[in-house]
Amino acid sequence: AQSVAQPEDQVNVAEGNPLTVKCTYSVSGNPYLFWYVQYPNRGLQFLLKYITGDNLVKGSYGFEAEFNKSQTSFHLKKPSALVSDSALYFCAVRDTNAGKSTFGDGTTLTVKP
Amino acid sequence: KAGVTQTPRYLIKTRGQQVTLSCSPISGHRSVSWYQQTPGQGLQFLFEYFSETQRNKGNFPGRFSGRQFSNSRSEMNVSTLELGDSALYLCASSLGQGGDNEQFFGPGTRLTVL
Repeated sequence: AQSVAQPEDQVNVAEGNPLTVKCTYSVSGNPYLFWYVQYPNRGLQFLLKYITGDNLVKGSYGFEAEFNKSQTSFHLKKPSALVSDSALYFCAVRDTNAGKSTFGDGTTLTVKP
Repeated sequence: KAGVTQTPRYLIKTRGQQVTLSCSPISGHRSVSWYQQTPGQGLQFLFEYFSETQRNKGNFPGRFSGRQFSNSRSEMNVSTLELGDSALYLCASSLGQGGDNEQFFGPGTRLTVL
């Protein structure tokens, strides 16, 4: 069985500071890992994914994530946070063949001016 | 290219009724997945269809069913509604059936069961 943990329900950062949203996973075999963002009253939007290759992946809106196989982590990062980054962020792991995605419980990011 | 569309956006039903939700994927996408989102349970996987075949099913009772049509549009049905079925139901489409494909989500259907 696969699982995803986002240990922080809430992350607060000041605008201009770096941000990190944490994610750890458990899956048999090689993982496909994703980050999605959800703005109020809207569906989820794809940010970035790790499939294979370089452990640092870059995505939309200046976000990046670092895959760490030994720590089974896939933390989302951004060098300089914007107020508009405030949203709910989900980490997800997907089986290599099947269509089932397992999502974390989400982390609410609040960026204050 | 149009995104994933879901209809209706809002629904209010009473216990015992049934409901059908519709999802139109992005043009060319053949995989459609459904999720239930609630504040307490987060995002829970319901099922996934590819080329009109259900490939995966989550841990939901048989009251939850779905299907996919030849044009990739999908419907989800919930029979004998319960109060606990109140949730945001999200549909997501992806290009292929491989796990490396990112999903594109619709805005959801907000179902309220009274």
